[in-house]
Amino acid sequence: GAGVSQSPSNKVTEKGKDVELRCDPISGHTALYWYRQRLGQGLEFLIYFQGNSAPDKSGLPSDRFSAERTGESVSTLTIQRTQQEDSAVYLCASRYTLAGKNTGELFFGEGSRLTVL
Amino acid sequence: AQSVTQLDSQVPVFEEAPVELRCNYSSSVSVYLFWYVQYPNQGLQLLLKYLSGSTLVKGINGFEAEFNKSQTSFHLRKPSVHISDTAEYFCAVSFGTSYGKLTFGQGTILTVHP
Repeated sequence: GAGVSQSPSNKVTEKGKDVELRCDPISGHTALYWYRQRLGQGLEFLIYFQGNSAPDKSGLPSDRFSAERTGESVSTLTIQRTQQEDSAVYLCASRYTLAGKNTGELFFGEGSRLTVL
Repeated sequence: AQSVTQLDSQVPVFEEAPVELRCNYSSSVSVYLFWYVQYPNQGLQLLLKYLSGSTLVKGINGFEAEFNKSQTSFHLRKPSVHISDTAEYFCAVSFGTSYGKLTFGQGTILTVHP
């Protein structure tokens, strides 16, 4: 697609439920990132994918959080047993990694706003 | 420790006034530097970046930033702001990593008043 696509754009759930957030990166972008943006705060790195492997999962806040990616395509971020502190906007970004096309710029989706009641 | 600090959480200015949004970082390795903007109810978009070369970089919408290695700063400036520049601005740094993970500052909300 033309840009990074995320779904759902808004999700309201009850505490204790599981949620899945989806990211469809720009075609040809091999690197994919998940960030979290809590109200009034900066962006917090969660996880990075190169292809379908995740060399850096250091930002995942707990074992309730997991993510996977199919090839160099769609990624899913799963939050199990959601808590109120998980409420945030979850942002996905992607970028080229090929020499000559890698400008270092991340291209962001519009985010998935998660509200845990 | 590697960190990014945006010194001002909110900056109010009048239309056509100049503005500077400050960003400092701490690093023992080389860096790539970025400014992103987030307009209300929109996603983040890149304003400008410094990878190498000239330390003064120009971006979209009349913004520019200067990389100062000795002061570890990358302040964003615009000589004359418009109402449409009202947004949140994020400084981001890639700390010498090959995979380009960006570490973001806390953001600065720029509000332009008529």
